[in-house]
Parts: sequence; structure tokens; C-alpha cells
Amino acid sequence: DAGITQSPRYKITETGRQVTLMCHQTWSHSYMFWYRQDLGHGLRLIYYSAAADITDKGEVPDGYVVSRSKTENFPLTLESATRSQTSVYFCASSGLTYNEQFFGPGTRLTVL
Amino acid sequence: SQQGEEDPQALSIQEGENATMNCSYKTSINNLQWYRQNSGRGLVHLILIRSNEREKHSGRLRVTLDTSKKSSSLLITASRAADTASYFCAQTAAGNKLTFGGGTRVLVKP
Repeated sequence: DAGITQSPRYKITETGRQVTLMCHQTWSHSYMFWYRQDLGHGLRLIYYSAAADITDKGEVPDGYVVSRSKTENFPLTLESATRSQTSVYFCASSGLTYNEQFFGPGTRLTVL
Repeated sequence: SQQGEEDPQALSIQEGENATMNCSYKTSINNLQWYRQNSGRGLVHLILIRSNEREKHSGRLRVTLDTSKKSSSLLITASRAADTASYFCAQTAAGNKLTFGGGTRVLVKP
């Protein structure tokens, strides 16, 4: 399917466990982004990537790790999940600098 | 922290009425974008206005930008029930990063 997909869509995990959220886009967009959305905070940027093997921190990177070995994939890993990481996570991609971003459907993560 | 704030936080109108929401930001921008989010879904891009533009139209949407006041507004004319959603402004900064406001929740009553 064309577009940007995220998996899983829903995830429940326990404190201390490692969790990986997947993001895949079929447009060969250079830029990819991870955001989290919490009530009262809008969306906040966790990490972003300008190209394969190039990643950089966003506003709230602590507790998260990313990699981008292939242009189309941008997984986000919570190394040791905490309750404060309960949130909805959105992946996005963009083809050009300062251009619109295309968002995935989101992953709702609950950390117990 | 968010660079932008949106006003109002929530808006309730009747179908057919216009909806206006405002966005303020703190630093210089390359462009400003507006997105819509339906409940439980991802964000959808609505319109982009560049820093050297003052007004832009797209269908029933009208966006204005006042860089001297660091503010933007989104007007939805002749609203429909399907316009019920949250609307976010986002400023584009270096590295193609977007900084989002807290959003305006719009309810259009039939």
C-alpha cells in the first residue's frame, strides 16, 4: 500500500520493557519524523531524520532511540519504557525542506 | 515547549457559520502550516503560507499571516459537520522541523 504506515496501532507494555514502534513510507521521502501527542501539549518532536543514516534530536528525545538504515523505515525504540511515555506516537515524512508533512495513523502506547 | 499558541482552545458553531482560529508564534519562521486532525486519526495538511505571503486561499479555507505580529489565522467558511476536528498551526524551522501549537477543537453542530 502506498503512503505512510505505523505498527502496531495499539500497544500495552510494562514499565522497564523495551518497545519498538515501526514506521514505513513508500514515497522515498528524505525527511522522517517522530512526534508524541499528549493531552494539553499538542505534538512534540522526539527525533527526526534528514536522510538514511542521519538522525537528530527533537524537543523531547530522552528515553528514545531511533535508527534509519533504509530511507523508507524509521523505527522508534523505547529502551526502558516508563509510565510518562504513555502517549500517542505519530510518524511523519516530508519530501522537501520546509514542505508539508504526511502523517501516519498513529500508535497508541500504554505503559503500565 | 511549544512555540505557538492557538486561540480559542475550543470553538462550537452551527453548520453554515464561519469558524476563525488564531495562532501566535515566538520566533521567525520560514513558513507556517495548518493541519487538521479528526478524532483518533493522524494529522492532515491543509495549507502552507510562506513568510513573504500575507493571505492564501484553498477552497473554503482562508489563511492570513502577519509576521510583524507573529500571528496567523485560519478561517473556515460555511462550515459543515465534517469540519468537526482539531486544527493545529505549525511553524517550520531549520531542519524541516515543525513546532506545533496546542490546537483548536472545533465542533460544528448540524
